[in-house]
Amino acid sequence: GAVVSQHPSWVICKSGTSVKIECRSLDFQATTMFWYRQFPKQSLMLMATSNEGSKATYEQGVEKDKFLINHASLTLSTLTVTSAHPEDSSFYICSAIAPRSYEQYFGPGTRLTVT
Amino acid sequence: DAKTTQPNSMESNEEEPVHLPCNHSTISGTDYIHWYRQLPSQGPEYVIHGLTSNVNNRMASLAIAEDRKSSTLILHRATLRDAAVYYCTRIIQGAQKLVFGQGTRLTINP
Repeated sequence: GAVVSQHPSWVICKSGTSVKIECRSLDFQATTMFWYRQFPKQSLMLMATSNEGSKATYEQGVEKDKFLINHASLTLSTLTVTSAHPEDSSFYICSAIAPRSYEQYFGPGTRLTVT
Repeated sequence: DAKTTQPNSMESNEEEPVHLPCNHSTISGTDYIHWYRQLPSQGPEYVIHGLTSNVNNRMASLAIAEDRKSSTLILHRATLRDAAVYYCTRIIQGAQKLVFGQGTRLTINP
């Protein structure tokens, strides 16, 4: 099946700094990728839809200036958490839709801890 | 509300069938029903999906009610590796977005 990777798998950063998370589709091209956030023992919350070559579409309540999304190529989308705060500590997961498929392939997730 | 409704938790024994229910009473006629499962500290894994007819694959079966307001994921013979949180989701047509509910935490007893 299709594979989606994320890097890094975990990151610790200091409050006020920015951190970038990469999401790659390894064996297929993805015009659309999605970014989710998941707090402990909670479900996945969709943050934004990332479209190659255009601006991301953010879900209601998600700050676009804080969570910068760039989908520069058909295999790479990045999420940058700017001016991170401890409350941004969470598990961030990306997904991509393979061509001619209804299936979304999820990355393994990135655990962000802001100290 | 586009979210689905599932029991918070269920428990079963190894090698027995498991039926995981899901309510999606506000589903539209073109929304597909997808099931994913998630192990701790991992991304979700696709299990199965369907629109109107019952579906089978190597992992599970999906039984969809005739009115499409509910569905049941069936694991025919549970193993310890099936212990996970199972999410019943809807894919919003056009937007291709998955809407996750709270999921069911499935525990399998040896």
